[in-house]
Amino acid sequence: KNEVEQSPQNLTAQEGEFITINCSYSVGISALHWLQQHPGGGIVSLFMLSSGKKKHGRLIATINIQEKHSSLHITASHPRDSAVYICAAMKTSYDKVIFGPGTSLSVIP
Amino acid sequence: NAGVTQTPKFQVLKTGQSMTLQCAQDMNHNSMYWYRQDPGMGLRLIYYSASEGTTDKGEVPNGYNVSRLNKREFSLRLESAAPSQTSVYFCASRRQGGGYNEQFFGPGTRLTVL
Repeated sequence: KNEVEQSPQNLTAQEGEFITINCSYSVGISALHWLQQHPGGGIVSLFMLSSGKKKHGRLIATINIQEKHSSLHITASHPRDSAVYICAAMKTSYDKVIFGPGTSLSVIP
Repeated sequence: NAGVTQTPKFQVLKTGQSMTLQCAQDMNHNSMYWYRQDPGMGLRLIYYSASEGTTDKGEVPNGYNVSRLNKREFSLRLESAAPSQTSVYFCASRRQGGGYNEQFFGPGTRLTVL
């Protein structure tokens, strides 16, 4: 079993829909990192969180430390949100980061 | 600040050739990382360096060597490239070991080994 898992693996949505991407982890973490990667593009940071909820524009990230689960929500989705979304567990014990396999999102006009 | 820079952006090699991927960061970060990304797989750690002068193997180190030349620069060398090393390579840096510090990524190097 992978230490960081994401669901769904692939997601297609109509423009305007509310989207949820889930991340579950089995390791002790100091924080969870959500990243975005556009096709053929670089990797950019969206959120870093260790508790509760963070919001930036139409994006919301939540984390439940007890359940070892985090979600990324996109409200009023837009075709420019089409990308791969990656969650990464920042482990407590040492300097390494464990990445989930990514969720590929396609938003159709 | 340029953040994390990588060179080259694209490279095509023949099997057996060698090359070095360069990475530099101007954020005064202690930790630096090399990852590879393959279709359908998450980012996998090749090597990392927690500080200048130290390096450690990651998940997939075979066929690679690294040098942490100074605090800014962390290079990845392929001594004898193989088709299995065709991938996109990302360098990343982070302020300090562990804790609540995000990673910053370079733009990636797309490597094809024929």
